[in-house]
Amino acid sequence: DAGVTQTPRHEVAEKGQTIILKCEPVSGHNDLFWYRQTKIQGLELLSYFRSKSLMEDGGAFKDRFKAEMLNSSFSTLKIQPTEPKDSAVYLCASSFGTTNTEVFFGKGTRLTVV
Amino acid sequence: GDSVTQTEGLVTLTEGLPVMLNCTYQSTYSPFLFWYVQHLNEAPKLLLKSFTDNKRPEHQGFHATLHKSSSSFHLQKSSAQLSDSALYYCALSKNYNQGKLIFGQGTKLSIKP
Repeated sequence: DAGVTQTPRHEVAEKGQTIILKCEPVSGHNDLFWYRQTKIQGLELLSYFRSKSLMEDGGAFKDRFKAEMLNSSFSTLKIQPTEPKDSAVYLCASSFGTTNTEVFFGKGTRLTVV
Repeated sequence: GDSVTQTEGLVTLTEGLPVMLNCTYQSTYSPFLFWYVQHLNEAPKLLLKSFTDNKRPEHQGFHATLHKSSSSFHLQKSSAQLSDSALYYCALSKNYNQGKLIFGQGTKLSIKP
C-alpha cells in the first residue's frame, strides 16, 4: 500500500522563482493537508482540503502560497514568488477524515531558496 | 488562539534512563492531544493519542496522560533506547478531524550509549 508521496524530495530555487510542489495522498483518503516545517516554528498548517474542496487556506500564508486539488489523488502547492524565508520542509498529509483515523504524512520536500 | 508548547528544544539522555518530554497546551475547548515522532529523513508518524476510552495510551514503551487541570500531555518512557533518538511533536486537534492539527515546536531527543 502506497503512503503519501511527495515530489520532488529536494528543490533549490532562486529568489523570485515560481515553484510547484506535488503530493499524492493515500488512496481513498478524503482529507489532505499541507504543512510547513521549520526548526523555529515546528509544523504550521498551510492548507486543508476535504473531498477536494478547500476548507482552510492559511492565514499568514495566503499571500504567495496557493494549494490546489484538481482531483482526489493529486494536489499541488505553488509558491510565487519565492523568498529566502520560504526555505523549509513542506509536508503533505492525508486521512479518511472520520473519527479516530490516523493521519499519514509524506516525507516532505526540502525547499532551499537562494 | 490555541497553542501547544514544548519547552525543550533538545533533550540528551544516556541509554537506559527514563524519558520525559513536556507538552502543555492552551485551548478554549477540550481538545484531543497527540504525540508524533519523526526519525531522520522520515515522515512524521503518530505515536500516541489522548482519546483511548479511559485507557492510558501506550505505544512502543511510551505513554502519556492527559491532565486537563494542568493542560498537559507529557510523554514518558521508563527506559530510553538508542532507537528512540528522533524529533517528537506534541499536537492538538479541536474535533474529530485529526488532520487539522496545531503542533508544538518539537523536541529533539538524542540517546547516547
